[in-house]
Amino acid sequence: KAGVTQTPRYLIKTRGQQVTLSCSPISGHRSVSWYQQTPGQGLQFLFEYFSETQRNKGNFPGRFSGRQFSNSRSEMNVSTLELGDSALYLCASSLIGQSFQFFGPGTRLTVL
Amino acid sequence: ELKVEQNPLFLSMQEGKNYTIYCNYSTTSDRLYWYRQDPGKSLESLFVLLSNGAVKQEGRLMASLDTKARLSTLHITAAVHDLSATYFCALPQAVDDKIIFGKGTRLHILP
Repeated sequence: KAGVTQTPRYLIKTRGQQVTLSCSPISGHRSVSWYQQTPGQGLQFLFEYFSETQRNKGNFPGRFSGRQFSNSRSEMNVSTLELGDSALYLCASSLIGQSFQFFGPGTRLTVL
Repeated sequence: ELKVEQNPLFLSMQEGKNYTIYCNYSTTSDRLYWYRQDPGKSLESLFVLLSNGAVKQEGRLMASLDTKARLSTLHITAAVHDLSATYFCALPQAVDDKIIFGKGTRLHILP
């Protein structure tokens, strides 16, 4: 069974730009969660989607948004990028929200 | 709000030794996860612990959960260099099910 895939793997943007990251969950998994990982703040929960609905949202500004499509693929968007948005963005999928999560390889975003 | 504390945050140890990583949490939760992360890589799921007294073992790693003490341990037996990684514990917050991670324990095993 193929694992969680994330695209792109690496991204360099400048301040003020916007970015869209994509996540394809394991086949059959309907729950997708997004996390931000930085050296200073560690792993922080961004949001969770289940059956195209946002179930949960972390404490991030409105510049961070996401969505999930009918095939369970998910995207997250960050608008008006700031230097502090440089991070590894991880996507995880699970069968339902409360079960074991399987993580993708991540997208490393650098904001210059 | 759920707080998750791991200790130690850094650990350097010799091959062949045993050691334990601790994960304390502040409020009740119905499950606890352990993950491993190699440098520059994503997270690998190790264990999920669902009930008080649960114990799971995989190779040289053994995880246990004491819900009354709000404590989970990850015990490493006869460490080998390949176990060098950062280990995270994580739990869902009861009020909204958000997953909260500890800061991670960076384990360095000297050959």
